[in-house]
Amino acid sequence: DIQMTQSPSSLSASVGDRVTITCRASQSVTNYLSWYQQRPGKAPKLLIYAASTLQSGIPSRFSGGGSGTDFTLTITSLQLEDFATYHCQQSYSVPYTFGQGTRLEIK
Amino acid sequence: QVQLQESGPGLVQPSETLSLTCTVSGGSMRNSNYYWDWIRQPPGKGLEWIGSFYHSGSSYYTPSLKSRLTISGDTSKNQFSLNLSSMTAADTAIYYCARSHRNVAAPQPRFDSWGQGSLVTVSS
Repeated sequence: DIQMTQSPSSLSASVGDRVTITCRASQSVTNYLSWYQQRPGKAPKLLIYAASTLQSGIPSRFSGGGSGTDFTLTITSLQLEDFATYHCQQSYSVPYTFGQGTRLEIK
Repeated sequence: QVQLQESGPGLVQPSETLSLTCTVSGGSMRNSNYYWDWIRQPPGKGLEWIGSFYHSGSSYYTPSLKSRLTISGDTSKNQFSLNLSSMTAADTAIYYCARSHRNVAAPQPRFDSWGQGSLVTVSS
């Protein structure tokens, strides 16, 4: 199985800040990498796929980058609704695997 | 706009079999761009992909659960199901059904629609 490791596990930031979350794969997943946002008590929501493609309806303050084994999710100008948990996920090979999640909290 | 809805018991006895169904509305399971997946999340923990169903009848399972798992579908009813046998406390989780989307322009599978989730507790 491909292991996905996110850092940091938690992050404190303020409204208006820019934050970056990192996801590392144990082997290359080329660009078969997605990012999800999960608010408490809710299902995950797709933000980014193919490492850098913004899902329809997602604000442009979200962006993704990277390829191979190292990926980033960047959120510019944090809004109140962005404080949530973020998950990366590889779909390069079965079983699909997720990172452990990064909890973004208000400072 | 496709919608997915899980249904099934909230409580399962240890050693028994969990049966969950996902009903898909607003779209056809026969669309070749989509697979139909199950994902679970133990309370306070991360997400785990369980397996997939494709309209051709093929199913794909995570190896760690394969010996206990069956995923099937009924495209005439636009439903797919999960059966997980020999349940233990470690299987307590929120179970989500989701749609995995891929196409020629973007072949990278991604879960673009999710059900609200169904909490399943294993306890006597």
